[in-house]
Amino acid sequence: GDSVTQTEGQVALSEEDFLTIHCNYSASGYPTLFWYVQYPGEGPQLLFRASRDKEKGSSRGFEATYDKGTTSFHLRKASVQESDSAVYYCALTLGGSNAKLTFGKGTKLSVKS
Amino acid sequence: EAAVTQSPRNKVAVTGGKVTLSCNQTNNHNNMYWYRQDTGHGLRLIHYSYGAGSTEKGDIPDGYKASRPSQENFSLILELATPSQTSVYFCASGEWGEQYFGPGTRLTVL
Repeated sequence: GDSVTQTEGQVALSEEDFLTIHCNYSASGYPTLFWYVQYPGEGPQLLFRASRDKEKGSSRGFEATYDKGTTSFHLRKASVQESDSAVYYCALTLGGSNAKLTFGKGTKLSVKS
Repeated sequence: EAAVTQSPRNKVAVTGGKVTLSCNQTNNHNNMYWYRQDTGHGLRLIHYSYGAGSTEKGDIPDGYKASRPSQENFSLILELATPSQTSVYFCASGEWGEQYFGPGTRLTVL
């Protein structure tokens, strides 16, 4: 079946560090890719999406580029802040208005000031 | 104004008891979803619905039932709760893969 594999466990950084969270996918068709973020005590919320090869999604200083060749959608931010501490989920859907999401297991980002 | 709300926010239940988790959305989305979140597993889909009167099994439906009596409401039912169902449960509504989540319900089964 379809699957998403992302950087496992936790990532610990200091403020102004560069962030990369790796995301690779396996899908039977041409998926739409997402990054969701979950702050402590809240439900996940959509960060951004990308639907086509080479499309870049971005929001709040985070960005990721859809790469069909390497089946990847890595999340990057040039300079993290303490407020970015959260759990980040990569996800995919194969489309349709009633499409389900397949999530990765999540990566917890902790940023120290 | 919160578009997806869940109740209760916290629940302690006894083994063998019946538990109902409720979800309400004001997004007017046809699709609603129930997930559980556990350390090491991320978000796992339990049941989902395409509209009022419909329910579908997700990836881990065993031990759970769902009910969608209206566009706005979607319930998750544990007929015979077990300690393995201790978790945080999230409801979501959405379309085209964009899902909007509620704040979660923390369920403890003793």
